[in-house]
Amino acid sequence: EPEVTQTPSHQVTQMGQEVILRCVPISNHLYFYWYRQILGQKVEFLVSFYNNEISEKSEIFDDQFSVERPDGSNFTLKIRSTKLEDSAMYFCATGQGEATDTQYFGPGTRLTVL
Amino acid sequence: AQSVTQPDIHITVSEGASLELRCNYSYGATPYLFWYVQSPGQGLQLLLKYFSGDTLVQGIKGFEAEFKRSQSSFNLRKPSVHWSDAAEYFCAVLSNFGNEKLTFGTGTRLTIIP
Repeated sequence: EPEVTQTPSHQVTQMGQEVILRCVPISNHLYFYWYRQILGQKVEFLVSFYNNEISEKSEIFDDQFSVERPDGSNFTLKIRSTKLEDSAMYFCATGQGEATDTQYFGPGTRLTVL
Repeated sequence: AQSVTQPDIHITVSEGASLELRCNYSYGATPYLFWYVQSPGQGLQLLLKYFSGDTLVQGIKGFEAEFKRSQSSFNLRKPSVHWSDAAEYFCAVLSNFGNEKLTFGTGTRLTIIP
């Protein structure tokens, strides 16, 4: 069964550094999402992406965050200048596109900001 | 705004016992509802989903859930739990129809005792 993959599985960075989290979606999926889960808290929506542009973003997704599909396959989340409070598990999810379609989640990247 | 409430933070059941995890939602239109499971260190796996039709839906791993509009609930059940069911369970509702943003509850941690 096709899976969403994410790299790296764990990223440790210093505060103020830039990080890029990568996701390889399921091949025929058209909608892409990033969610995050701060330790002990619920999963929160960050951003949705379709047709090479952001469809919706949450209030968490400020100017420090950006997403892109640089090569038509990978889907990336960039945090320009990391803060301590960015430490979380970041999940990529992808879907075929219909509103009723399931979102398939990757295993996540644990980001630790020191 | 859409919201999901999972009133039980932590539930402990004996192996072989029945299980019911509660989920209540708040959503103005017909909801699309999901249950995801997260094993320790893993990503989110879809257990089942409700879009329309039969209010009792069957999922993987022997789980089922019943949609009750009058109670705004979508409780997850399993007749006999296995030790491998120990995990975190998240109820979610599909928000903002068209953008497919999932809104999650805070999760219920399930512990299985021998």
